[in-house]
Amino acid sequence: SQTIHQWPATLVQPVGSPLSLECTVEGTSNPNLYWYRQAAGRGLQLLFYSVGIGQISSEVPQNLSASRPQDRQFILSSKKLLLSDSGFYLCAWRGTGWMSPLHFGNGTRLTVT
Amino acid sequence: AQSVTQLDSHVSVSEGTPVLLRCNYSSSYSPSLFWYVQHPNKGLQLLLKYTSAATLVKGINGFEAEFKKSETSFHLTKPSAHMSDAAEYFCVVHSGNTPLVFGKGTRLSVIA
Repeated sequence: SQTIHQWPATLVQPVGSPLSLECTVEGTSNPNLYWYRQAAGRGLQLLFYSVGIGQISSEVPQNLSASRPQDRQFILSSKKLLLSDSGFYLCAWRGTGWMSPLHFGNGTRLTVT
Repeated sequence: AQSVTQLDSHVSVSEGTPVLLRCNYSSSYSPSLFWYVQHPNKGLQLLLKYTSAATLVKGINGFEAEFKKSETSFHLTKPSAHMSDAAEYFCVVHSGNTPLVFGKGTRLSVIA
């Protein structure tokens, strides 16, 4: 069966520090991978998605970036965090079929102080 | 273009009474529709999905939803609420090659 791992679960970082969140998927090949952010009391905002190694699409211009160095690994990064980057970050994968649902990791709670 | 509207930001029910969470969608093509549940500080869990087969879809934990094309609706229901159902619920629409579109969520409270 397929599983998705996302870490760390919580993170407290000072403003201006770098960020690296990692997500890996097991049990499937060539998944579509996604990073979402969920601000307090708000819905989900799609940040990045990837349909293959090295292929990244950005939905919202900001100081975050994403990379996919391996088929089942998706990394969210920032060189300098802002206060506004605080939120709940969710990694997700889905199969390539158009009816495939998203499958989410347990999320990372990021607090920028 | 596609969009999804969850008509209630917050629904409160008593334990043992029915649950109705409303969702309307807009899509240029035949959509896939999903309901997800999110408990505090957790990821989203798939409850059920509609993908053009049966219009009444049964999901986990006793939830079900009915796809009504004429009303462009996909409401989520459960006959009897449990305390453990208290969570945030998201309706999601997808069609074509565009990214999935999430509703803003409905927070379900269950009163003992």
